[in-house]
Amino acid sequence: DIQMTQSPSSVSASVGDRVTITCRASQIISRSYLAWYQQKPGRAPKLLIYGTSSLHSGVSSRFSGSGSETDFTLTISSLQPEDFATYYCQQANSFPWTFGQGTNLEVK
Amino acid sequence: EVQLVESGGGVVQPGGSLRLSCAASGFTFNIYSMNWVRQAPGKGLECVAAISDIGGSTAYGGSVKGRFTISRDNSKNTLFLQMNSLGAEDTAVYYCAKKRSTIGGHDDFDHWGQGVLVTVSS
Repeated sequence: DIQMTQSPSSVSASVGDRVTITCRASQIISRSYLAWYQQKPGRAPKLLIYGTSSLHSGVSSRFSGSGSETDFTLTISSLQPEDFATYYCQQANSFPWTFGQGTNLEVK
Repeated sequence: EVQLVESGGGVVQPGGSLRLSCAASGFTFNIYSMNWVRQAPGKGLECVAAISDIGGSTAYGGSVKGRFTISRDNSKNTLFLQMNSLGAEDTAVYYCAKKRSTIGGHDDFDHWGQGVLVTVSS
């Protein structure tokens, strides 16, 4: 199985801050098969980005993604109050599809 | 509007069985692969099973292989997960998730159900 490791596991930030979350895969994956999700407590995850850098329909442009091979990043350019949540990366390169352990973005 | 509505969760004793259902609407169900993804309390996400659009191909995560069976009824737009030999480690919220694209065999998920809680406890 491909292991996905996110860092940091938790980050504190303020509204207006720029935040970057990193996801590292245990083996090389195609850029086409890396996605990011946002999850709020008690809710299902929501797709933010697929194919490393493609923004899902309806997602704010303050979210962006980049990376290649084993190292990928999610950046939130200017935090808004609704962005405080847990973020997960996911690889769809090979089954079983695996997720990072999550990054909890909390208010400073 | 795409809707995925899970049902069938509840409390079950260790060693018991449970069948989850996911009723889909708002999209052409029979052209999309579907998955079950679970989340143990306070933990991360784990994909446990996947099924192709017409059900001809299935795949399972290692922790459930041989115990869980994913299936679908395209005539009723419904996805299923039969869970047998349940243990405490299977306690989780189970989500059905729709593959974003109809192309290729690589699944990311653009729509998720609200989730259904399965608790394995005596």
